[in-house]
Amino acid sequence: DQQVKQNSPSLSVQEGRISILNCDYTNSMFDYFLWYKKYPAEGPTFLISISSIKDKNEDGRFTVFLNKSAKHLSLHIVPSQPGDSAVYFCAASVGTSYDKVIFGPGTSLSVIP
Amino acid sequence: GAVVSQHPSWVICKSGTSVKIECRSLDFQATTMFWYRQFPKQSLMLMATSNEGSKATYEQGVEKDKFLINHASLTLSTLTVTSAHPEDSSFYICSARSTAASPLHFGNGTRLTVT
Repeated sequence: DQQVKQNSPSLSVQEGRISILNCDYTNSMFDYFLWYKKYPAEGPTFLISISSIKDKNEDGRFTVFLNKSAKHLSLHIVPSQPGDSAVYFCAASVGTSYDKVIFGPGTSLSVIP
Repeated sequence: GAVVSQHPSWVICKSGTSVKIECRSLDFQATTMFWYRQFPKQSLMLMATSNEGSKATYEQGVEKDKFLINHASLTLSTLTVTSAHPEDSSFYICSARSTAASPLHFGNGTRLTVT
């Protein structure tokens, strides 16, 4: 049973527009949520995180929104740039540490120039 | 930022041989390192958690005698795939963190192909 779900395997967005990547989770014990970006043949790179006590965290062009009641989070990228084209993994963990981070299957984002 | 180096980036080996993959934290001390496996078009699956100076904790379904993990220092963890078989062919990625509250930093992964 997948605890972290990313139902859209791929997404295409025009350069300059907003990219919205969605993520749902089933384990209500998750405390921390993270987004990682991955280029082919490379390891994931940490992008942004959010604690369950917050509903929004912003870092430059990247904003993560958390809706605990819906067990849903989303990553907004605005404006989208061609260099943002990558696979984005949503991840979640239980507790105050990042032990046993559970990853979603990923969403492949293509930003079209 | 924190850098994790993983070596080799790719390796081809014959069935029955063993392969060692190294994961190094270059600019921080990693008390904990994690090993993942990624199948094509699937997510990262945690294989084991490695704490410096102690035995690794393996996830359910991962054979500890087949995937030997050693974390002898605060900057190095190794994963040895013993008696490799073609079904072990996969992308293996390590991650490390400096403290319990630190985000994970990933290596670039190792593409293992067993012929």
